[in-house]
Amino acid sequence: AQKITQTQPGMFVQEKEAVTLDCTYDTSDQSYGLFWYKQPSSGEMIFLIYQGSYDEQNATEGRYSLNFQKARKSANLVISASQLGDSAMYFCAMREGPGNNRLAFGKGNQVVVIP
Amino acid sequence: EAGVAQSPRYKIIEKRQSVAFWCNPISGHATLYWYQQILGQGPKLLIQFQNNGVVDDSQLPKDRFSAERLKGVDSTLKIQPAKLEDSAVYLCASSLDTLAETQYFGPGTRLLVL
Repeated sequence: AQKITQTQPGMFVQEKEAVTLDCTYDTSDQSYGLFWYKQPSSGEMIFLIYQGSYDEQNATEGRYSLNFQKARKSANLVISASQLGDSAMYFCAMREGPGNNRLAFGKGNQVVVIP
Repeated sequence: EAGVAQSPRYKIIEKRQSVAFWCNPISGHATLYWYQQILGQGPKLLIQFQNNGVVDDSQLPKDRFSAERLKGVDSTLKIQPAKLEDSAVYLCASSLDTLAETQYFGPGTRLLVL
C-alpha cells in the first residue's frame, strides 16, 4: 500500500507568489516523521523541512513551512515568495516508528516558477 | 563541510554487464543509505548500513545487487548482471546515526542499461 500520496499534476507558479504542495500519508504508528525534499534537475535531493508527529507547532524553515494536519494525515508544504530557483521536483517522505530511519517517498510534485 | 560524494555521475552499459557505484558519506556520519530512483518515482531504499554493518537490506534484489561498506566509511554498490529495468538514478545518503532525523543525499549516479 502506498504510504505517501502526492497527486497534484505539474504546477506553474508566478515568481514571488506562494505555492502549496499537497501530501497525504498513511501510517498506524503514533511516532513518525515527515520530510520534504527538493530535487532540481541536477538530481541531488536537498532536505527542506522536517515535522515530527508529536510536534505541536507547524515546522518552518525560511520560506518553507509545513501545514501539518495530523487528524487528516496531511503534511502540505508551503513555499512563500517563489523564486526561479525553486523550479524542481518536490518529494514528501515519511519515517515510521522510533529507531527506524527508512524513508518512504511519494512520487513527487513538479513545480515550475515563471517570471 | 563537504557533502556526500558519488561517482561516477553517469554510466551506460549493456544488459548482462556489471557495474559498480561508489559513495563517500559526510565525514562522521555513521549511517549510509543506497536508494534507487526510477524515472517518475520517488527514491526507494535498497540498503542501509550502520558503520560497516547492514541494518536493512529487505528491498535489495540480492540475486544481482550487492553492497559493502568494509571500513565503515565509503561504500560500493554493485549490479551483476544488469537488466534493462535497473536503469535508474542511484542515490547515496548519510546521516549521523540511525536515530538522526535528517538524511543528506549525494548527486546520484544515473545508470542507463541498453
